[in-house]
Amino acid sequence: GAGVSQSPRYKVAKRGQDVALRCDPISGHVSLFWYQQALGQGPEFLTYFQNEAQLDKSGLPSDRFFAERPEGSVSTLKIQRTQQEDSAVYLCASSLRLAGLSNEQFFGPGTRLTVL
Amino acid sequence: KNEVEQSPQNLTAQEGEFITINCSYSVGISALHWLQQHPGGGIVSLFMLSSGKKKHGRLIATINIQEKHSSLHITASHPRDSAVYICAVRSDFGNEKLTFGTGTRLTIIP
Repeated sequence: GAGVSQSPRYKVAKRGQDVALRCDPISGHVSLFWYQQALGQGPEFLTYFQNEAQLDKSGLPSDRFFAERPEGSVSTLKIQRTQQEDSAVYLCASSLRLAGLSNEQFFGPGTRLTVL
Repeated sequence: KNEVEQSPQNLTAQEGEFITINCSYSVGISALHWLQQHPGGGIVSLFMLSSGKKKHGRLIATINIQEKHSSLHITASHPRDSAVYICAVRSDFGNEKLTFGTGTRLTIIP
């Protein structure tokens, strides 16, 4: 089946604009992760869902960032009043989350956000 | 100090050379991942390991839990191996999130 997909692949926003980034995980994957990757850096954790429950949002950099996964499948990362420092690649990953095991995460292609 | 450190940051080698990329971490982990990222951002998982050694084609990954160190080796390197290789760890505190190193940019010259 299809892998993790993300849309849009590229987004250019003016400073102050709101943006919404979409992630379609692999069908049946319970866990969904959002990561932020600044230019030249490794990804950094933003937030994590198990089904529709947001279990960890400790990585969200400010209250302008909001993520949801209302039906336990597709997830949306919303950034309000974008700032230039929000420019980054936003990566989504999903995993099966078999109980007691450390699961492989499958990554989407990312959304490159540029805030002007 | 970052929880996950990689070395070298950049590596350029001739085609055919044996490549080693190192990863050290400072926290207890339940698993370590090696990932490959090509220009354009897509990330592919190469290995997930919690002990010992794994091999897939020309790629070999090893981990020493006591020393908190892992290595990724590429034998008979090829220009198509040129990419950023990222080490990531999952802590052993019941959280599935990954903590990433900053990556090693590998360039293989024909």
